[in-house]
Amino acid sequence: EVQLVESGGGSVQPGGSLRLSCVGSGFTFNLYWMHWVRQAPGKGLEWVSRIDYDGSTTSYADSLKGRVTVSRDNAKNTLYLQMNSLGAEDTAVYYCARDLYYMDVWGKGTTVTVSS
Amino acid sequence: SFVLAQPPSVSVAPGKTARITCGANNIGTKDVHWYRQRPGQAPVLVVYDDSVRPSGIPERFSGSNSGNTATLTISRVEAGDEADYYCQLWDRSGDQSVFGGGTRLTVL
Repeated sequence: EVQLVESGGGSVQPGGSLRLSCVGSGFTFNLYWMHWVRQAPGKGLEWVSRIDYDGSTTSYADSLKGRVTVSRDNAKNTLYLQMNSLGAEDTAVYYCARDLYYMDVWGKGTTVTVSS
Repeated sequence: SFVLAQPPSVSVAPGKTARITCGANNIGTKDVHWYRQRPGQAPVLVVYDDSVRPSGIPERFSGSNSGNTATLTISRVEAGDEADYYCQLWDRSGDQSVFGGGTRLTVL
């Protein structure tokens, strides 16, 4: 079964950092570009970032550039999102998704709460 | 950057047809994808490349895209179709993905 499982979410104080992980299984992870998408409480989906097969090409939402870094470890079938200088506006469920120019497989998400 | 406009809500009676639009200048030149999100769940792809259904998605779901509007059409609507629906595309010029604001489909 093709599956994506996110982890690493939790509560963090404003200004803090967090690294999210996403483990892929049931498919050849290193053949796919991958995305991060987030959803604030009661809001719509917001694209965060995309990374190519080997991590050499990355893209970021303008609103997050400079504060987030996407990376991957294909040996571990794992995608990462490093988030710094977190603010209340970063409180959201963070999803990873597999890329085929569209997002065909999604994880269940991991929740990040930024609060003092 | 691209902005995709969706109506916040659409209501339809069971058995009728729901049409959810996604508007942007010359969106017909892009490949548009649609996702369904039920409460508390992750999004699910229901149509990709304007009009292609992934395996497992009922034939009742179809899509079209022309001019300034892409449309997701759900025929013979069922109670289980009640969800939020999002359109999405890749904006090559901005090197970013863009989601519409989402449409809540209510089955009366």
